[in-house]
Amino acid sequence: ELKVEQNPLFLSMQEGKNYTIYCNYSTTSDRLYWYRQDPGKSLESLFVLLSNGAVKQEGRLMASLDTKARLSTLHITAAVHDLSATYFCAARRTYKYIFGTGTRLKVLA
Amino acid sequence: SAVISQKPSRDICQRGTSLTIQCQVDSQVTMMFWYRQQPGQSLTLIATANQGSEATYESGFVIDKFPISRPNLTFSTLTVSNMSPEDSSIYLCSVEVTTGGSGTGELFFGEGSRLTVL
Repeated sequence: ELKVEQNPLFLSMQEGKNYTIYCNYSTTSDRLYWYRQDPGKSLESLFVLLSNGAVKQEGRLMASLDTKARLSTLHITAAVHDLSATYFCAARRTYKYIFGTGTRLKVLA
Repeated sequence: SAVISQKPSRDICQRGTSLTIQCQVDSQVTMMFWYRQQPGQSLTLIATANQGSEATYESGFVIDKFPISRPNLTFSTLTVSNMSPEDSSIYLCSVEVTTGGSGTGELFFGEGSRLTVL
């Protein structure tokens, strides 16, 4: 059974600082996804990572995938308040998408 | 991408009643899923809605409690039956859409239906 864990669960950081969110999954996965959820809103797709060593960047966010370690990271560079949200990773196995526990990020001015 | 409309967006329900949530997609999709998100929690897959056949339920979810219909490739309903306060959650419809030249599947979500059971 595919299980997906994230850490940390909560992250409070100062503006301008860097930090990394980690996503571990328990068994082989087809691909790895990152989503953002703002309070009271649905999920917004951020990144799709297809293969080992994949790296994608959008603005201050960069995601990477290490399939051998079953690990994906979401790196935040020089955080700004607008990045405050909950971030989920999700792993896809066969046709199912299994979501991680989520990381609630709060960026303090 | 896909535009997914869910109704109702929110509702307050009495214990013991049932509520049906509708999900309409603006294009034909093969894979459609229903998720539950309890307050402050992650998303849990309830079932895969299969067109023309019975839904495939995940462990801990049963058809009697969460009957699902999928009459065609653009529409599905989820019913939450005999509700209790523990069913208070956001219910999310999602679809997998193939994007890009590589044929990569990507999951898109409706806005969710927030149910409060008193």
